[in-house]
This record gives sequence, structure tokens and C-alpha cells, in this order.
Amino acid sequence: GAVVSQHPSRVICKSGTSVKIECRSLDFQATTMFWYRQFPKQSLMLMATSNEGSKATYEQGVEKDKFLINHASLTLSTLTVTSAHPEDSSFYICSARDRAGLAGVYEQFFGPGTRLTVL
Amino acid sequence: DQQVKQNSPSLSVQEGRISILNCDYTNSMFDYFLWYKKYPAEGPTFLISISSIKDKNEDGRFTVFLNKSAKHLSLHIVPSQPGDSAVYFCAARFGSGNTPLVFGKGTRLSVIA
Repeated sequence: GAVVSQHPSRVICKSGTSVKIECRSLDFQATTMFWYRQFPKQSLMLMATSNEGSKATYEQGVEKDKFLINHASLTLSTLTVTSAHPEDSSFYICSARDRAGLAGVYEQFFGPGTRLTVL
Repeated sequence: DQQVKQNSPSLSVQEGRISILNCDYTNSMFDYFLWYKKYPAEGPTFLISISSIKDKNEDGRFTVFLNKSAKHLSLHIVPSQPGDSAVYFCAARFGSGNTPLVFGKGTRLSVIA
């Protein structure tokens, strides 16, 4: 299957700092990537949909000025958590769909996730 | 409002027996359903899917059943293996593959040897 990577896998930062998380599709081009967040024992919640070359679409309740998303190329999307606070501590996961699609199968490929801890 | 519900947070099954994971949804407009498996500190990996026009899809030890009238789907794993122990997420989608997934809260499956 297609491979999606995320970097870093784990980050600890001080309150007030900004953190950038990268999501890369390694062997396919992804016009659309999705960013999810998962709190302990909760479901994956969609934060935003990232389209290459255009502005991201944010879900209701997600602050676009706090969670900056850039999808500058067909293989890279970045999520920057600006002025991070302890309540932003979570597991952030991206997913991507092959531009050409996989015949008969419409699954998204997920990255391994990034554990953010804000002290 | 949770559109995709997995009401059992955990399930324990003996190795070799059948595991049945259940999922209910509220929105009849969903037209594609997927099951993902997730290990701790890893992203979900795709397991099996089913279109709303079908009622069953089988792939090896994994079978997904869809009951549209009841808005219910289930994942059957048989025989269950210790390596199947993970959290299983049910997800649903509208339309094409470029739409985001709506996830349930997951069910933690423990397969006991």
C-alpha cells in the first residue's frame, strides 16, 4: 500500500511556542490530505482538509489561525500549532489519498501520527 | 452528535474463536464504510471496506456485513489471532474518496492465547 510519513513522531515543547508537523506521501501524489486529532480514548476527529495549492478547509470549532496548514506540493502538507498550550497536547494524524485513486478501493492512507505534549 | 457509534469500548476473545465488532451509524447518506486497525502510537491502517450497495465483503479472515435498514455494520474476524489485538475503528464517508472520514470511538480487541 501507499506510504505516508509524519515528522516528528514525538515532540515536547513549552507553552507559547510553535510546533510544525510534516506529513509526506512517499510514493504517490496526494492532492488532498486530511489532518485529524485524537485525544485519549476518543475517536479521531477531523480538523481540516488540506488541498494542494489552495487554502485548507477547517472543521467547525478548529481555529485556523492557531492551526496553520500549508499544502505546498503534491507530497507535503504541514500543520503548525502556533502558541501551543497544554490543552493542545494530543495525537495528530494526517491522511492522504492517492491522486489517481486505487482501483475499486477508496481508502485513505494514514501517517503514523505525532504525539504533541505541551508543558 | 456522534454519527458513527461503536458502543463497545472493549472486547476479549479467545484465540481461534470469532471476534465480532459492531458499529452503528445515524446518517443514511453515508455510502462507504471502512474498518481501520490501530496500534498504540501508530496511525490507523486500512483493513476492509464496503460500499453501501453491498451487504457483505470478505477478505481472508475478515468479513464486513452491512445492514442498511438497521444502519448497522459489523466486522467478523475468524479465526482470531493474538496479533489481531488492537483498537478497531469503524469509519464512514459520503461520496468519493476525497471526502473526509467520520470515525467511531473505536473498540479495543484483545485476543487471548
